[in-house]
Amino acid sequence: QKEVEQNSGPLSVPEGAIASLNCTYSDRGSQSFFWYRQYSGKSPELIMSIYSNGDKEDGRFTAQLNKASQYVSLLIRDSQPSDSATYLCAVTGGSYIPTFGRGTSLIVHP
Amino acid sequence: GAVVSQHPSWVICKSGTSVKIECRSLDFQATTMFWYRQFPKQSLMLMATSNEGSKATYEQGVEKDKFLINHASLTLSTLTVTSAHPEDSSFYICSARDGYTGNTIYFGEGSWLTVV
Repeated sequence: QKEVEQNSGPLSVPEGAIASLNCTYSDRGSQSFFWYRQYSGKSPELIMSIYSNGDKEDGRFTAQLNKASQYVSLLIRDSQPSDSATYLCAVTGGSYIPTFGRGTSLIVHP
Repeated sequence: GAVVSQHPSWVICKSGTSVKIECRSLDFQATTMFWYRQFPKQSLMLMATSNEGSKATYEQGVEKDKFLINHASLTLSTLTVTSAHPEDSSFYICSARDGYTGNTIYFGEGSWLTVV
C-alpha cells in the first residue's frame, strides 16, 4: 500500500513569515512529486512539480526533494493571507497514478 | 500552463435521473484521466483511472455500472452518474496527465452535484 503522509495541521504562521510544509512517502520507486493548493470548495491547482533531488524554486515557492529520506517539502516565503489553503502533496511512480496525502491546512494570519 | 476544463461547474438533478460531467484538456493531449470525488472537509477519493480508448479502471468500492466513464479521445473524458441518489451529492473533480511532455497532472475546476 503506497502511502503519502502529511501533517493535517492547521499550520498557523504570521504574514511575511516562511511556511514549511512537509510530506513523506512510502514507495521508494516514486518518480514524480507535486504540490497542489486547494482552496475551500475549489479544485486543486498545481504549484510545483519536482523530479530530482535538491531544491526547485518558483517565485515565493521552493520545493525540496530528498529521495534517500523519502521526503519532500514546500517552503512558502513571505506568506500572505491569500496563501491560506490546504496544501496537497502527490507522488507518482511507474503507474503514473498519483497518491495524494490528506493535505495540510495552512493559515496565514495578518 | 495547461488547462483542463470541466463542465458543468454545478448541477442539481432529481433523484433517479442521470447526469453527465465532461472533462476536456484544452491545450495538451491527456494520455490518462482520473476522476475523483470529494466530500466537504475530506480528502480526494480516486474513483477511476481511464486511458484513451480503453475501459476505465475503477477503484475498489466504486460501482462501474453507476459511474460510467468514457475516454473516447485524447482530450475528452466523461463521467455519467446514473440513477443518481442524494448520497451521490458531492464534488466531482477530473484530472488529466500530460504524458507526452511530462507526467504533470492538472485538475479541472470540479463539478458540484446535488441530487434532490
